[in-house]
Amino acid sequence: GAVVSQHPSWVICKSGTSVKIECRSLDFQATTMFWYRQFPKQSLMLMATSNEGSKATYEQGVEKDKFLINHASLTLSTLTVTSAHPEDSSFYICSASTRDLDGYTFGSGTRLTVV
Amino acid sequence: GEDVEQSLFLSVREGDSSVINCTYTDSSSTYLYWYKQEPGAGLQLLTYIFSNMDMKQDQRLTVLLNKKDKHLSLRIADTQTGDSAIYFCAAPSWGKFQFGAGTQVVVTP
Repeated sequence: GAVVSQHPSWVICKSGTSVKIECRSLDFQATTMFWYRQFPKQSLMLMATSNEGSKATYEQGVEKDKFLINHASLTLSTLTVTSAHPEDSSFYICSASTRDLDGYTFGSGTRLTVV
Repeated sequence: GEDVEQSLFLSVREGDSSVINCTYTDSSSTYLYWYKQEPGAGLQLLTYIFSNMDMKQDQRLTVLLNKKDKHLSLRIADTQTGDSAIYFCAAPSWGKFQFGAGTQVVVTP
């Protein structure tokens, strides 16, 4: 089946630094990828929709200058958290559209801790 | 308000059946999904149902859909300790997933 690899699975960074999270579709081409954020014991909140070769579409309330999304190829989308602060600590998950009946495949998530 | 609503917690004894309920508001979704999330992990697709179906059975999992009431349920038969997790229902709307808050299922011996 379709596999989405997300890396790193966890990262600790200092406040003020930037962190890049990668999301790769391993055996299919993902024209659309989605980035979600999940707070502890809460649901997933869609941050942005990333289409290959075009600018990402951000959800209301998500700072596009803080959460930079790049979808340069059909198999890779990246999320960069710029000038990270402790309140950015969260679980970030990507998903990719397979356009199959199985729907959308999710990555395994990245636990970001900003200290 | 929430587009997708779920009960937050369910405690079930091992071997019993679990039923997780979900209501949604957007009826444009062609498919509706159930995902499982174990602690510290991503989402695992459990099953999905086509919006024109009333029921789908997949081994221990049974999905019921009442499209008129916009109500979706997931039944897990013979619940095992490995079924302890958070379960999310999801209703895509133009490719964007609207997730419920998740139902934490705790299986007790």
